[in-house]
This record gives sequence, structure tokens and C-alpha cells, in this order.
Amino acid sequence: DQQVKQNSPSLSVQEGRISILNCDYTNSMFDYFLWYKKYPAEGPTFLISISSIKDKNEDGRFTVFLNKSAKHLSLHIVPSQPGDSAVYFCAASAWGNQFYFGTGTSLTVIP
Amino acid sequence: DSGVTQTPKHLITATGQRVTLRCSPRSGDLSVYWYQQSLDQGLQFLIHYYNGEERAKGNILERFSAQQFPDLHSELNLSSLELGDSALYFCASSVATNPLETQYFGPGTRLLVL
Repeated sequence: DQQVKQNSPSLSVQEGRISILNCDYTNSMFDYFLWYKKYPAEGPTFLISISSIKDKNEDGRFTVFLNKSAKHLSLHIVPSQPGDSAVYFCAASAWGNQFYFGTGTSLTVIP
Repeated sequence: DSGVTQTPKHLITATGQRVTLRCSPRSGDLSVYWYQQSLDQGLQFLIHYYNGEERAKGNILERFSAQQFPDLHSELNLSSLELGDSALYFCASSVATNPLETQYFGPGTRLLVL
């Protein structure tokens, strides 16, 4: 049973516009969330995190929003750049235990 | 480059066979995690070792086993392979034992079982 879901397998955005990647989870005990970015032939790399005590975390062009009541988090990239084209995974953990990953969203930023 | 190395990059084998995947963590990292990514699936946590000791198990089949050696490299052994074991296998390393510490992933080993 997939506890973390990324329902959009792919997303295309024009360079300079906002990219919004979405993630839903089912386990209300999840209290820590991550986004990873993955380029082809490489492993995932950590991008940004958020704990359940916050509803927003910002790092440069990347902002993660958490809506606990909806069990939903999103990653905003503003402005989007061609180098942001990659697969993005969200992941969630409860009480510092193992992470559960979504299936990923492939982002293409069109120059 | 994350500093985590995995060998081999690609592996093609037949059903029923046994293979060993190897992972060398970043210098100074004591934790090693193994993940499996099957087609159209997210990464599935398999097992976590810290300084040679098993710390947590996830969705790891009984046909699979792992160990972490005194030099901190780790091996994932997959036996009695089935077609469904074809996947990308990642290892990740981190400094401490807490899974919330940033994990640094290797490039993965792509296993194809024919």
C-alpha cells in the first residue's frame, strides 16, 4: 500500500514560470517530509525538508508547503530553470523511522 | 558526486541465481541504507546498518540479506532471483544513526533478471 503518492508522473513548465509538484500521504503519523531531486544515471540528492511543526520552509528558489489537515505537501520552484529538469521524489517519515517515498514526478523546464 | 560508490553499475543475470551488490559510503559516514526502486515504484527501504550493526529492516525479502563490514562498506546479497527482482538498487549513507540525517545516495546498481 502506497503511503506516499505523487499522482502526476510528469510536468512541463516554461522557463521562468512556477513549477508546483504535489505529494499526498495517508499516514497521519508522518511528521517529517523531504524532497529529493534525481537526474538520470545519478542517485537522488536531498533538496529540502519540512517538519510537521511548520507549514512552510523556504530555501532560495525552492519552497515546500505542508497542509497537515489535507495530508498534502507541495514543492514550489520559482523561477523554474532548465537545470531543474529532473525527477522529484517526496518522502515521509514517522518518529524518525524509515522513509516512505512517492513514485516521483518528472519535471521538464522548457527554455 | 555524492561520494557514495556502488558497484557494479549494471548486472544482468538469470532467475535462480545469486548476486552481490556493493556500496562504499562517504568517508566518515557510519550509516548505510539500502533501497529498491522497481519500475513505476518509489524507493522502497530495505535495510539500515550503522557501524556494522543492523538497525532497521523495511520491506526486505527473506531471500535478500545485507551486511556492513569493519571498513564500513556494505554488501546486499540477493539470492534465488526472480524476474520481479529486476530493479534499481540504491545505497545511501549518512553520518549518524538517525534516519532524519541527510542521506547521500550512490548512483545505483541496475539489476536485470532474465
